[in-house]
Amino acid sequence: DAKTTQPPSMDCAEGRAANLPCNHSTISGNEYVYWYRQIHSQGPQYIIHGLKNNETNEMASLIITEDRKSSTLILPHATLRDTAVYYCIVSGGATNKLIFGTGTLLAVQP
Amino acid sequence: EAGVAQSPRYKIIEKRQSVAFWCNPISGHATLYWYQQILGQGPKLLIQFQNNGVVDDSQLPKDRFSAERLKGVDSTLKIQPAKLEDSAVYLCASSSSPSSYNSPLHFGNGTRLTVT
Repeated sequence: DAKTTQPPSMDCAEGRAANLPCNHSTISGNEYVYWYRQIHSQGPQYIIHGLKNNETNEMASLIITEDRKSSTLILPHATLRDTAVYYCIVSGGATNKLIFGTGTLLAVQP
Repeated sequence: EAGVAQSPRYKIIEKRQSVAFWCNPISGHATLYWYQQILGQGPKLLIQFQNNGVVDDSQLPKDRFSAERLKGVDSTLKIQPAKLEDSAVYLCASSSSPSSYNSPLHFGNGTRLTVT
């Protein structure tokens, strides 16, 4: 079973920041938080991951709370092409095994 | 770099027939995964290879599904005989390492299987 809880859907206006929340209250000390997204009819695409520090790359920012029980993925300026299902995944250990939940469907509106 | 290649893109078969899917991972990636994604659900891991050895096949229905990765590069996933509930998208992914936290998975676009 997935170790994360995400809202099933969210809307965001084009050009605005999209903030996608994720709860992972049972995360253990050696587990990372990963975010992937899946655009319709494509395979999942890696976005970002982190352990306890906030992370930023060219796609997004990841904010992890100090107790590591929740995180937020931020897309700073959402475009229509960001419409996708976003998966928050907690994973650790030697096998890099990702267990996907049902994710959040982000709909970016014009 | 070239991405993960999968074929065919679509496949329609009747129940009890057999089917095979092919995956070519990113060059140099030692770890290969097969996922099954049923409509409306997230991908579910079926099997993980490290080079040509199986790391995890705990979720693979071994009575009808089989997978191999000869020579540690390309991989095939086979279903024989197929059931209606096998209708899904079969995704292949690869990564450069099984245990590095800085080696994200790269996915292909999948094969959509319809069993009638």
